[in-house]
Amino acid sequence: DAKTTQPTSMDCAEGRAANLPCNHSTISGNEYVYWYRQIHSQGPQYIIHGLKNNETNEMASLIITEDRKSSTLILPHATLRDTAVYYCIVRVSRGSTLGRLYFGRGTQLTVWP
Amino acid sequence: DGGITQSPKYLFRKEGQNVTLSCEQNLNHDAMYWYRQDPGQGLRLIYYSQIVNDFQKGDIAEGYSVSREKKESFPLTVTSAQKNPTAFYLCASSMGVMNTEAFFGQGTRLTVV
Repeated sequence: DAKTTQPTSMDCAEGRAANLPCNHSTISGNEYVYWYRQIHSQGPQYIIHGLKNNETNEMASLIITEDRKSSTLILPHATLRDTAVYYCIVRVSRGSTLGRLYFGRGTQLTVWP
Repeated sequence: DGGITQSPKYLFRKEGQNVTLSCEQNLNHDAMYWYRQDPGQGLRLIYYSQIVNDFQKGDIAEGYSVSREKKESFPLTVTSAQKNPTAFYLCASSMGVMNTEAFFGQGTRLTVV
């Protein structure tokens, strides 16, 4: 059961910011939001995660709304190498599925020159 | 270099044969996972292990088996009972199952003919 909803595809011009939205309206209070990306035929790569505060690292920024029902991954200056499928995931925090990462279909981001 | 290694990258087998996919990590991670990915789909969890000598079924465990005799290794056997074994298989590891990023291998593409 993927607990997130993402657009199927997006595109972005090289050098511009890519803003990838994600809805997670059923998220529980202690569940983190994770973002991964997968370049074709490779293993997924961890990008960033957060609970309720905005987060930034060398790859991206994560903006989580105050009610935690949605978030946005921001790639500040997209490059052609950022073309990939981006997965937004809520990590289950209780019960028999503790800790699982549910990967939906993600968003195919295409960066064009 | 620390990391998670899957081998081989490509594997071909005849229908009816069992095949074992290798996954090794030197990250000192307790938790390890196996996922399956079909074209255009997200990842689906096959098995996971939180600690040595212990593992649990994921969402699509039928036709697969695993072992966790060593912390570093989590091999997956695709048995002849698996009806549609041709897929991209991904192994991952994390420090624990809760709130820590998972690191993925580069995957093994299995083709059964």
